[in-house]
Amino acid sequence: DGGITQSPKYLFRKEGQNVTLSCEQNLNHDAMYWYRQDPGQGLRLIYYSQIVNDFQKGDIAEGYSVSREKKESFPLTVTSAQKNPTAFYLCASSIPGVEYGYTFGSGTRLTVV
Amino acid sequence: DQQVKQNSPSLSVQEGRISILNCDYTNSMFDYFLWYKKYPAEGPTFLISISSIKDKNEDGRFTVFLNKSAKHLSLHIVPSQPGDSAVYFCAAMNSGGYQKVTFGTGTKLQVIP
Repeated sequence: DGGITQSPKYLFRKEGQNVTLSCEQNLNHDAMYWYRQDPGQGLRLIYYSQIVNDFQKGDIAEGYSVSREKKESFPLTVTSAQKNPTAFYLCASSIPGVEYGYTFGSGTRLTVV
Repeated sequence: DQQVKQNSPSLSVQEGRISILNCDYTNSMFDYFLWYKKYPAEGPTFLISISSIKDKNEDGRFTVFLNKSAKHLSLHIVPSQPGDSAVYFCAAMNSGGYQKVTFGTGTKLQVIP
């Protein structure tokens, strides 16, 4: 079955540490996205990538970094510069001209302890 | 700047009755509108969409209405079922090329048995 796999589902990080969230898709989608969900704020775009080796900042990119070395993979690194990293992180992918927008992964809950 | 707004953070409806979820947008360049449903600790799943050239789209118990002049859309669920209890996100995008979807803040629907 095609889909998007995010791992791990739950992640704990100590303050000052970087952490990388994994996102893999086997849908052959060109574009991939990272969103963050906070209570009362909906989904906010962190980074997106339209093709391999290219990515753009979204609305809240500060404190995050990404790479897109393979079409299937779009890992997100939450750096120590991110002031409020505790959130639910969602990865998504899409192809052009699709009326249903994105296919989402099941998310990663990151908690800073 | 919140381009897609859902002003009701929550809604409670009796089972069997109609649920109406509302959404407003400010960007007149949006030409596709979508509704996603999200359960806790899961990624959103696509529910229904509508093109800006239409004013209504129906899929089973779900109907989306679009009023372009008012920049307003609504999702009707009839009849509401307990399994419909979830957070519903309104979203909008430009359908050309690699679309970037803008999400609202979500409305939590509770269907009471």
